Amino acid sequence: SYELTQPPSVSVSPGQTARITCSGDALPKQYAYWYQQKPGQAPVLVIYKDSERPSGIPERFSGSSSGTTVTLTISGVQAEDEADYYCQSADSSGTYHVFGTGTKVTVL
Amino acid sequence: QVQLVQSGAEVKKPGASVKVSCKASGYTFTGYYMHWVRQAPGQGLEWMGWINPNSGGTNYAQKFQGRVTMTRDTSISTAYMELSRLRSDDTAVYYCARDSGYSSGWSFWGQGTLVTVSS
Repeated sequence: SYELTQPPSVSVSPGQTARITCSGDALPKQYAYWYQQKPGQAPVLVIYKDSERPSGIPERFSGSSSGTTVTLTISGVQAEDEADYYCQSADSSGTYHVFGTGTKVTVL
Repeated sequence: QVQLVQSGAEVKKPGASVKVSCKASGYTFTGYYMHWVRQAPGQGLEWMGWINPNSGGTNYAQKFQGRVTMTRDTSISTAYMELSRLRSDDTAVYYCARDSGYSSGWSFWGQGTLVTVSS
């Protein structure tokens, strides 16, 4: 089955930049999405279509794509950004959706 | 405003079935696909499938095919996810999430329903 791979954890100091990668063979063909999840809460969409930001999401969240890897960048990290982040996409046929393995962002 | 309100927590024995509901409000229920996602304790998100509330058509993740059934009742704007032959590793929080269409992602989620499978 199709898999999306993320680093388990990323640590960053306040005000610095956090970058989270997500790798998958079908990413050149399928859009990627990013979700933020805080403990005990439902996920929140922070990036769609690789790099679009939903209304209400701070400008410090941005997304990019290059080949089989997509990247979520959080510029000027704030304490409130500490959370788990998941990429999401679909297999090459677009039939089955899949989430990445998840990355825990820790703000030092 | 868009709201998805899920049914309450359930405790089931191994081998039983569970049916979780997701009541939608604030938009045209038949206009948007609904996905179901689960999260085992301390684990990541796992996509289970979607239902087209307009046609009733479904698409299930291969892992759950044969065990999951997604239905809807358009008269009360409610989607359902039934999982059968429950095992202990089905213990998880189950979420419904509305697809925004046009590849815009899933902006609206239910609050989650904890299903505990224990003998």
